[in-house]
Amino acid sequence: DTEVTQTPKHLVMGMTNKKSLKCEQHMGHRAMYWYKQKAKKPPELMFVYSYEKLSINESVPSRFSPECPNSSLLNLHLHALQPEDSALYLCASSVAGGTGTYEQYFGPGTRLTVT
Amino acid sequence: GENVEQHPSTLSVQEGDSAVIKCTYSDSASNYFPWYKQELGKRPQLIIDIRSNVGEKKDQRIAVTLNKTAKHFSLHITETQPEDSAVYFCAASRVTNTGNQFYFGTGTSLTVIP
Repeated sequence: DTEVTQTPKHLVMGMTNKKSLKCEQHMGHRAMYWYKQKAKKPPELMFVYSYEKLSINESVPSRFSPECPNSSLLNLHLHALQPEDSALYLCASSVAGGTGTYEQYFGPGTRLTVT
Repeated sequence: GENVEQHPSTLSVQEGDSAVIKCTYSDSASNYFPWYKQELGKRPQLIIDIRSNVGEKKDQRIAVTLNKTAKHFSLHITETQPEDSAVYFCAASRVTNTGNQFYFGTGTSLTVIP
């Protein structure tokens, strides 16, 4: 199984709502990532989890709160978002470390609209 | 941090011609350079990658070259087909024990004209 899954596919939320994005993989990868992608722009790294611990936070506003409850799951909790946070949110996973393949596997993304 | 530049931003070629996309990076510690193809509304898909200990890699119609000294790498697509039309992103990454910190180029929108 070389698939990363994400739910929901689409999400519309108001600026006062609290919602969560979910990501799951069963490839045994111990590094998981959240990216934000605006239209016609490259993915921007937000967070990296390695062995279920947050290893990189790219100065993301606190209204985005990541969580890695176990080695297969990655969540992104959203609260008090702004309309400019509307984007495609991509999850990815890879092996953690310098052995084997370095490839990152991307999920299909969650299209988020903040109203 | 790493800075990846990508050129051109748009590229149109006739079917059957070759397409070349170039990227430069700034961090000499970067050691892994993947190329992704992204179709509209879909996830990025890895099409080819190269590690810093290799100068060139080829997979059928697609090849990537890396010049570590000059810190640039290029994607070459030969015999282009309409289905090659998409946005292509290069990326530079430093592979560490805590994962791969990827930095993407700004993308090239490739159109193959039948």
